[in-house]
Amino acid sequence: GENVEQHPSTLSVQEGDSAVIKCTYSDSASNYFPWYKQELGKRPQLIIDIRSNVGEKKDQRIAVTLNKTAKHFSLHITETQPEDSAVYFCAASIRDDKIIFGKGTRLHILP
Amino acid sequence: DSGVTQTPKHLITATGQRVTLRCSPRSGDLSVYWYQQSLDQGLQFLIQYYNGEERAKGNILERFSAQQFPDLHSELNLSSLELGDSALYFCASSVLGLNTEAFFGQGTRLTVV
Repeated sequence: GENVEQHPSTLSVQEGDSAVIKCTYSDSASNYFPWYKQELGKRPQLIIDIRSNVGEKKDQRIAVTLNKTAKHFSLHITETQPEDSAVYFCAASIRDDKIIFGKGTRLHILP
Repeated sequence: DSGVTQTPKHLITATGQRVTLRCSPRSGDLSVYWYQQSLDQGLQFLIQYYNGEERAKGNILERFSAQQFPDLHSELNLSSLELGDSALYFCASSVLGLNTEAFFGQGTRLTVV
């Protein structure tokens, strides 16, 4: 069945440094890859997404890359700030079918 | 505020009982999804409805069922509850299918004692 693996499960970076979270997916028909941020006690919220016809997308300090051949996609956060501390989830979906989430990465920004 | 409303916010019940969680999607959204979030399990997809019909099923137990009504609100029914069913249950909605942003409700925290 469909599966999304996410690494690392926990990541600590110094404020101002970059953070990278990586995901792999199993179903080559997946064509939509959103990333969600969940702050403590709050709901997941979309921060960026990418579709399979695009290799990279940027939004200010956040970027996502997609390698369809390897079935990898990654989230890059540059110049990290304290408010970036949260749990980040990658996900993959096929057309209008179910969306499968990775298990999440807990990101800690160290002062 | 995402526009997705879930009730109740908190629910405490005993093992063996049955509960119903309710979700009102954003105005105009036809798709509703249910997810279970346990401490070490991330977001587990349970089920998706689109315009009243079941669209996709995930790891939903036979003790759980859901439906989407003509007014597009959805209910998740959990029966014969076990301690392990304690979790945060999220509902999300989107305009069409899943290739558009899904907006999450604030979740219902279920505690089974």
